[in-house]
Amino acid sequence: AQKVTQAQTEISVVEKEDVTLDCVYETRDTTYYLFWYKQPPSGELVFLIRRNSFDEQNEISGRYSWNFQKSTSSFNFTITASQVVDSAVYFCALSEGWDSGYSTLTFGKGTMLLVSP
Amino acid sequence: SQTIHQWPATLVQPVGSPLSLECTVEGTSNPNLYWYRQAAGRGLQLLFYSVGIGQISSEVPQNLSASRPQDRQFILSSKKLLLSDSGFYLCAWSAGTAETQYFGPGTRLLVL
Repeated sequence: AQKVTQAQTEISVVEKEDVTLDCVYETRDTTYYLFWYKQPPSGELVFLIRRNSFDEQNEISGRYSWNFQKSTSSFNFTITASQVVDSAVYFCALSEGWDSGYSTLTFGKGTMLLVSP
Repeated sequence: SQTIHQWPATLVQPVGSPLSLECTVEGTSNPNLYWYRQAAGRGLQLLFYSVGIGQISSEVPQNLSASRPQDRQFILSSKKLLLSDSGFYLCAWSAGTAETQYFGPGTRLLVL
């Protein structure tokens, strides 16, 4: 079973629409970290956010917001008033293994977001 | 501030030829270093990671090898490339095992 599932392969929206990218993870660890990265057409992965398993407080950064819910093992990402520059592939990732002293980072398969003018 | 470089940016190589991709990090000491491959379909696969000079851990057995000759230098190599080695290779660094990984610009490798 996938440890990080991004069920939405592609999403197309029109500029100014709000869009939510889903991420569901699976782990048996009590200590873990969740991440979101953005990959624009240039290819470089850009770090967006890191959350630890003990902090379920939602976070907002400009037009970006993240909703972390341990009860549903989800870490969803919302872009408000989307812009063409938001077009990219977005990856959710899980870092686990802290309970055993060895951690790895596992990525989902990504969601391609296309924002049209 | 820290920066991470990769070269070359693009590489086209024939099957059976050797490979050497280089990754260097500036502005930090004793980083953890990682090599990932992103094939068609967009998933990222961790290939190797290093917590120090000469210390390499392999995640997936394959046609590739990695070396860390200097603190901030990480090299990905192959003696004989296969068609299946084509992909986008990303290097990343982190300040420690618990820290965020930051990625370089990547190298696009096409094996013909």
